[in-house]
Amino acid sequence: NAGVTQTPKFQVLKTGQSMTLQCAQDMNHEYMSWYRQDPGMGLRLIHYSVGAGITDQGEVPNGYNVSRSTTEDFPLRLLSAAPSQTSVYFCASSYSGAYTDTQYFGPGTRLTVL
Amino acid sequence: RKEVEQDPGPFNVPEGATVAFNCTYSNSASQSFFWYRQDCRKEPKLLMSVYSSGNEDGRFTAQLNRASQYISLLIRDSKLSDSATYLCVRGDSARQLTFGSGTQLTVLP
Repeated sequence: NAGVTQTPKFQVLKTGQSMTLQCAQDMNHEYMSWYRQDPGMGLRLIHYSVGAGITDQGEVPNGYNVSRSTTEDFPLRLLSAAPSQTSVYFCASSYSGAYTDTQYFGPGTRLTVL
Repeated sequence: RKEVEQDPGPFNVPEGATVAFNCTYSNSASQSFFWYRQDCRKEPKLLMSVYSSGNEDGRFTAQLNRASQYISLLIRDSKLSDSATYLCVRGDSARQLTFGSGTQLTVLP
């Protein structure tokens, strides 16, 4: 099993550009989520999904869109990149999302917006 | 006030030392707690869950005090490989995790 994979590993955007961060898992997990990690602030939840076709907002959803058409994939779209979105983005998955579940994280995408 | 607060450190300790981290949380309805470990520029990985009765995994001991709303992690006989950032995490019934900002540990030879 590859676990949780993310692409790309690094990305540089100009302000106003759009892009999609890819996330996939091969563990048949129902729950998937996106976090951003900024220095001194810990990980903050952007969006999450409890199953195919179901998504919901987390703590910091503005400027991001998600969709979940399959169990395996959970892409994160930046609609119009801003320098404030410079961050490290982690995708995670767990079996059901229950608060007792272990979260498995992908290796992260380092995004810089100029 | 942050929902989950940690002392950011850094904690610099010699090999073999015992070190303890504390974490406080503000939501008394919080459901579950975890310690995750994050190596430099890597993804977080689960270190251990935290149970009300306290739990131990080798050199690591985690405790939860719901009355005082804090969680602790004790590392005995520190190894160089323990150097990392330790994240205190709260899980709730809404299927959301709240992360502390992390405590940085460096174990020195």
